[in-house]
Amino acid sequence: GQQLNQSPQSMFIQEGEDVSMNCTSSSIFNTWLWYKQEPGEGPVLLIALYKAGELTSNGRLTAQFGITRKDSFLNISASIPSDVGIYFCAGPGGTSYGKLTFGQGTILTVHP
Amino acid sequence: GAGVSQTPSNKVTEKGKYVELRCDPISGHTALYWYRQSLGQGPEFLIYFQGTGAADDSGLPNDRFFAVRPEGSVSTLKIQRTERGDSAVYLCASSSTPGNTEAFFGQGTRLTVV
Repeated sequence: GQQLNQSPQSMFIQEGEDVSMNCTSSSIFNTWLWYKQEPGEGPVLLIALYKAGELTSNGRLTAQFGITRKDSFLNISASIPSDVGIYFCAGPGGTSYGKLTFGQGTILTVHP
Repeated sequence: GAGVSQTPSNKVTEKGKYVELRCDPISGHTALYWYRQSLGQGPEFLIYFQGTGAADDSGLPNDRFFAVRPEGSVSTLKIQRTERGDSAVYLCASSSTPGNTEAFFGQGTRLTVV
């Protein structure tokens, strides 16, 4: 089946630093989604990408849909303590619209 | 409601028992999904409903797992003869239309089988 690999697995950064993480797929995706999950909560959608090469921002977050359609990147600028959480990439898996395949997540820790 | 609501938030059960997990999707959302998340992993797809019918149940691990959505809104995930390996967070999500991949998740039910 389709697999999504996220890197890095974890990051420890200082407040104010920029963050970059990426996600690669074994197959082509037509949609890329980035979610953030905090302890005890479900994932929250941050950014959705629908077109190869697309660059989309949401506040300090910017995500890009890779040209090969097999990768995506998420950048966070000027990190703050509330950015702490697990960031997941996801994309539609198989022929079912509702079936999302998730990466294993990038754990972000921000030191004040 | 304002968001996806799942009850209970925590459930501890003994091995071999039967459990039901409930999901109340966002009002008007026709598509509903169940996922399972083990510690340190991303959510894994279980089943997807379009209205009252299960459009894709390929993620259900075995026949001990079953889900229903009889009136096209609230859904119940049912697990029979629970095993310790069933311990996980069970997440429900909904989206406005079946083709809309922008799903909104509930806070999950943490199931612990002892």
